[in-house]
Amino acid sequence: RKEVEQDPGPFNVPEGATVAFNCTYSNSASQSFFWYRQDCRKEPKLLMSVYSSGNEDGRFTAQLNRASQYISLLIRDSKLSDSATYLCVLSSSGGSYIPTFGRGTSLIVHP
Amino acid sequence: NAGVTQTPKFQVLKTGQSMTLQCAQDMNHNSMYWYRQDPGMGLRLIYYSASEGTTDKGEVPNGYNVSRLNKREFSLRLESAAPSQTSVYFCASSEAPVQPQHFGDGTRLSIL
Repeated sequence: RKEVEQDPGPFNVPEGATVAFNCTYSNSASQSFFWYRQDCRKEPKLLMSVYSSGNEDGRFTAQLNRASQYISLLIRDSKLSDSATYLCVLSSSGGSYIPTFGRGTSLIVHP
Repeated sequence: NAGVTQTPKFQVLKTGQSMTLQCAQDMNHNSMYWYRQDPGMGLRLIYYSASEGTTDKGEVPNGYNVSRLNKREFSLRLESAAPSQTSVYFCASSEAPVQPQHFGDGTRLSIL
């Protein structure tokens, strides 16, 4: 099993829809979790950190489920500008804390 | 408000040539990273430097070397470029390995 797995999509949704992505991980010692957004041929940009208690930033909600070892990202009221690839990232304990990226989930929001 | 600056932005090399990709950050971050991104493969860590004076191999270090010149700068060197190293290279930095990373714009490298 890969260390971090994401459904590559694409998720094709109309404007105004609610869409959710999951990211599963295999290392139970993982400590830090983040969601990044990457536009085509651009650098990844931090969207939000993921906390154990869950966190919300406007239309975006991130949650962590340690028991089932996954994080989720919920986008409400999708906008055309939300079209991008969403990457989950985690850092694990064990001395090095090397960050590990998922391959990303592609979201296409259409009119 | 530069953040992470990578040079060059584009480069074309011939097989066997060498070159160094430069990266500098002005956020006083301790940790710096080099990734490559290929279609369908996601971001793969080449080398990282958890703090000034240390460097460690990532997932795909073969064919590359790095230098953490000082706290600001972290360079990536291709000693003898191969077509398999054609990719987009991103440099990133963070306050610490468990903190969020900030990325440069990337270097698009083609090796013929």
